[in-house]
Amino acid sequence: QVQLQQSGPGLVKPSQTLSLTCAISGDSVSTKSAAWNWIRQSPSRGLEWLGRTYYTSKWNSDYAESLKSRITINPDTSKNQFSLQLSSVTPEDTAVYYCARLNWGGKRFDYWGQGTLVTVSS
Amino acid sequence: DIQMTQSPSSLSASVGDRVTITCRASQSISNFLSWYQQKPGKAPKLLIYSTSTLQSGVPSGFSGSGSGTDFTLTISSLQPEDFATYYCLQTYDTPYTFGQGTNVEIK
Repeated sequence: QVQLQQSGPGLVKPSQTLSLTCAISGDSVSTKSAAWNWIRQSPSRGLEWLGRTYYTSKWNSDYAESLKSRITINPDTSKNQFSLQLSSVTPEDTAVYYCARLNWGGKRFDYWGQGTLVTVSS
Repeated sequence: DIQMTQSPSSLSASVGDRVTITCRASQSISNFLSWYQQKPGKAPKLLIYSTSTLQSGVPSGFSGSGSGTDFTLTISSLQPEDFATYYCLQTYDTPYTFGQGTNVEIK
């Protein structure tokens, strides 16, 4: 059974960097069967895919165009986890952030983290 | 980006009712369409993927159909635990995009 456990601060000041981690159990961040994603949800934007990292013969990352200048998603093979960093945050980045596994079979998000409410406020 | 238009945005139904939710993509997405159920304070839960494949453990009262640009989620007989918000999602191409959601409420 795959489990994704999120951690990170719930409050970030404007202009600072939002950092979240998603620890994986029951699977490997280096698997070739899945990609590891971050998704956020807010009343104004709904559910929004932010980006992913995945391993083929090398590490790959893809990001939402609107966030490309501010976002980094990195794997950590030593801890079997992956992380999200979003820089220069504004109140518009306030949302519930989820990590999720995209199973390449059917390209489905079959496992999700519990969600982290991140508020951007001074 | 591929736009996903979901309808209705909300509906009221009774236990035992048949419920249909539709999702339209702005371009063909083949069969890369999945459906999720979300309850307050919880992460979305996968119900159906590849348009019509039921995720393991999901009750058989849920079904999906469609192809290309038009897709449907059907709940054959609404149960008390089915009152929730439902989302479609295309994973044909990045950026992956969700529908706006359908809130299924008790009549």
